[in-house]
Amino acid sequence: NAGVTQTPKFQVLKTGQSMTLQCAQDMNHEYMSWYRQDPGMGLRLIHYSVGAGITDQGEVPNGYNVSRSTTEDFPLRLLSAAPSQTSVYFCASSSDFPGTANTEAFFGQGTRLTVV
Amino acid sequence: GESVGLHLPTLSVQEGDNSIINCAYSNSASDYFIWYKQESGKGPQFIIDIRSNMDKRQGQRVTVLLNKTVKHLSLQIAATQPGDSAVYFCAENSGGYQKVTFGTGTKLQVIP
Repeated sequence: NAGVTQTPKFQVLKTGQSMTLQCAQDMNHEYMSWYRQDPGMGLRLIHYSVGAGITDQGEVPNGYNVSRSTTEDFPLRLLSAAPSQTSVYFCASSSDFPGTANTEAFFGQGTRLTVV
Repeated sequence: GESVGLHLPTLSVQEGDNSIINCAYSNSASDYFIWYKQESGKGPQFIIDIRSNMDKRQGQRVTVLLNKTVKHLSLQIAATQPGDSAVYFCAENSGGYQKVTFGTGTKLQVIP
């Protein structure tokens, strides 16, 4: 089982460029989410999805777009990259809402993004 | 190096000793707590969870203790091994995606 796969692992962008961070899971999970991880801070939720065709904003959604056309894929788009978006990005999936008994969130390996 | 590890408190433990990692949470309405392990260059990995109606839960070599009175959570690792070296952080949840708060973490260094 591959679990949650993120691509690319590393990326350098110039300010103003756009790109898509890919996330795919093979566990048939309905719930998927994107987080960013910055030094000295805990993970912060960007966007999440509770199923194909359904997305919602998290704590820090500005500058990011998402879509969920299939159960397996949940790409994160940066429309016009800014240096403040330099971070490590993690995608996660789970079989139910966080906080539901016996529900474990599985995280990808992360994408390390630098915007110059 | 792994930038996530910068500015984190570090706990250094001799191999074979027990480790105790602490976490203070902020929301008295939180009713579900999780400990994660994050190795350098990898994503967080679930270790153990506990609901607020419990004060202790044991897994394989790990124990989580919850003290709701002082809003404190601890992770105990028995017989710490070099493979336990990682950043450990807690998360508190008061319901749903938008109600999860992640801690910044503690770096555990195991001395062989």
